[in-house]
Amino acid sequence: EDQVTQSPEALRLQEGESSSLNCSYTVSGLRGLFWYRQDPGKGPEFLFTLYSAGEEKEKERLKATLTKKESFLHITAPKPEDSATYLCAVQDNNQGGKLIFGQGTELSVKP
Amino acid sequence: DTGVSQDPRHKITKRGQNVTFRCDPISEHNRLYWYRQTLGQGPEFLTYFQNEAQLEKSRLLSDRFSAERPKGSFSTLEIQRTEQGDSAMYLCASSPHLGEKLFFGSGTQLSVL
Repeated sequence: EDQVTQSPEALRLQEGESSSLNCSYTVSGLRGLFWYRQDPGKGPEFLFTLYSAGEEKEKERLKATLTKKESFLHITAPKPEDSATYLCAVQDNNQGGKLIFGQGTELSVKP
Repeated sequence: DTGVSQDPRHKITKRGQNVTFRCDPISEHNRLYWYRQTLGQGPEFLTYFQNEAQLEKSRLLSDRFSAERPKGSFSTLEIQRTEQGDSAMYLCASSPHLGEKLFFGSGTQLSVL
């Protein structure tokens, strides 16, 4: 059964303090690994899709990387507006396009 | 492109009542997904449609839940005889093709008293 585990559950950073979020996954056949950002009371907002081990994608202060067992979301010099819950999800080749999500990492960046 | 629209945004109901939520996907997206999310957890898959056909339903979904997508456009999710454990955010998402990213709506927050 496909499974996604994210760590840590919560992360508190000072503004400018870089860190990484981890997403470990088990999937029979990976079609894609997705990162989303979710603000309180809103739906998830798409950030990145990674398709194969070794792939990297960047957007502003965020960089996502992928290996065969896990993905990292690196946050460089975060700002308070980066505070949100970050969700990782996998899409299985044999599961019709649905995403299986982890429980998320709640990031808080203090000025 | 107006995004995925969900209605209502909030619903408060008494235990035992029936509720219905509506989702309008992005125009021309033929895949539509329903998820449920409780506080501190990631979204949990409920069901999905390709056009008007319901192709998968989660084993976790009780018989009190039913979803439809008539004519392959908007979708409704109905919960019959609501229970307090049904309290959650119900999210709808759509995508244009298999393998593409999902676009989520803002959700319907259900509170069962």
